[in-house]
Amino acid sequence: SYVLTQPPSVSVAPGQTARITCGGNNIGSKSVHWYQQKPGQAPVLVVYDDSDRPSGIPERFSGSNSGNTATLTISRVEAGDEADYYCQVWDSSSDHPLYVFGTGTKVTVL
Amino acid sequence: EVQLVESGGGLVQPGGSLRLSCAASGFTVSSNYMSWVRQAPGKGLEWVSVIYSGGSTYYADSVKGRFTISRDNSKNTLYLQMNSLRAEDTAVYYCARGDSGGDCYPSWGQGTLVTVSS
Repeated sequence: SYVLTQPPSVSVAPGQTARITCGGNNIGSKSVHWYQQKPGQAPVLVVYDDSDRPSGIPERFSGSNSGNTATLTISRVEAGDEADYYCQVWDSSSDHPLYVFGTGTKVTVL
Repeated sequence: EVQLVESGGGLVQPGGSLRLSCAASGFTVSSNYMSWVRQAPGKGLEWVSVIYSGGSTYYADSVKGRFTISRDNSKNTLYLQMNSLRAEDTAVYYCARGDSGGDCYPSWGQGTLVTVSS
């Protein structure tokens, strides 16, 4: 099965840039989506199709995807960005489609 | 406005059954692909099952043969029938609406907690 690996945690000071990686075999050939989840809340889609943002998501959230790594970048980090972040892809390599989530990254704003 | 409201969670003994419901509004369940995603306490997100607009269904290996996803078009509601429950099925279960043009989930319910314990 397809595996997506994320660093368990990322720490960043307010106003700085946070980069969260998502590693997977040839992930650059897939569309990667990113979700933000705050404690006790449902996930929220923040980036889809590698680098597009849903309406209402600040431009500070951006994404890229190439080779074996996709990256979610949060610019000018704010205290409200503290949350868990998950990448997700659709994998058709097995005998049936699968929706795979990454292991998750906790972003701490110092 | 898209809304998803899950219900049906609770405490169940190992080996027992439970049926989760997800009432949808603001869109037609049968016109979208819909999924269940779960999250064990303190753990990450795990995709559980999907039902496509055409009716095809697929499951994660961890629940295959025990869980059944279905929908009632007249009630615009998604279901997850869970049988032979195990302690490791303990989680918050979310229903999610799939994106019509892609493979992400732009809409989620608030989740319902399932606890499997004796």
